Amino acid sequence: KAGVTQTPRYLIKTRGQQVTLSCSPISGHRSVSWYQQTPGQGLQFLFEYFSETQRNKGNFPGRFSGRQFSNSRSEMNVSTLELGDSALYLCASSLQPSDNEQFFGPGTRLTVL
Amino acid sequence: AQSVTQPDIHITVSEGASLELRCNYSYGATPYLFWYVQSPGQGLQLLLKYFSGDTLVQGIKGFEAEFKRSQSSFNLRKPSVHWSDAAEYFCAVGSYIPTFGRGTSLIVHP
Repeated sequence: KAGVTQTPRYLIKTRGQQVTLSCSPISGHRSVSWYQQTPGQGLQFLFEYFSETQRNKGNFPGRFSGRQFSNSRSEMNVSTLELGDSALYLCASSLQPSDNEQFFGPGTRLTVL
Repeated sequence: AQSVTQPDIHITVSEGASLELRCNYSYGATPYLFWYVQSPGQGLQLLLKYFSGDTLVQGIKGFEAEFKRSQSSFNLRKPSVHWSDAAEYFCAVGSYIPTFGRGTSLIVHP
């Protein structure tokens, strides 16, 4: 069974641009969560989706948004990029929201210049 | 609110030596506890987890962790470290949206 896949793996953008990151969960997994990882703040929860609905959201500005499709694939979008958005964005999937074990993808490394 | 503290930012050990990575947590109820490992450029891989039952938990790659409620700790151990264990290790607490510690970087000397 294939693991969680994230595309692209690396991305370079400039301030003010927007970016869309994609995550394909493990087959059969219906819950997808997104995390931002930076050296300064560590791993921080962004949001979680299940059945195309956002169930939980972390403490991030509205520039960060996401969605989930009927096949459980998820995208996150960051608009009006700032230098501080440079980070590794990790996606994790689980069978159900109540499932306590998440499987992480390799992440997308976003660099904002 | 739940929180996790990993007191050691870096740990250096010699190959073949034993290892213990510390983790202290704050959680209102019986905690769900996790240890993850992250190799450079990779995502997080679950090493082991504790939900209930036996307080000594066995994980993958020869790792184990012990839950001590009285000390609010969940330390990760390995009896003999291999060079391939060099990585970043994260402790996490919580249910399906865990709170992560800041990580401990393990350096292994030959």
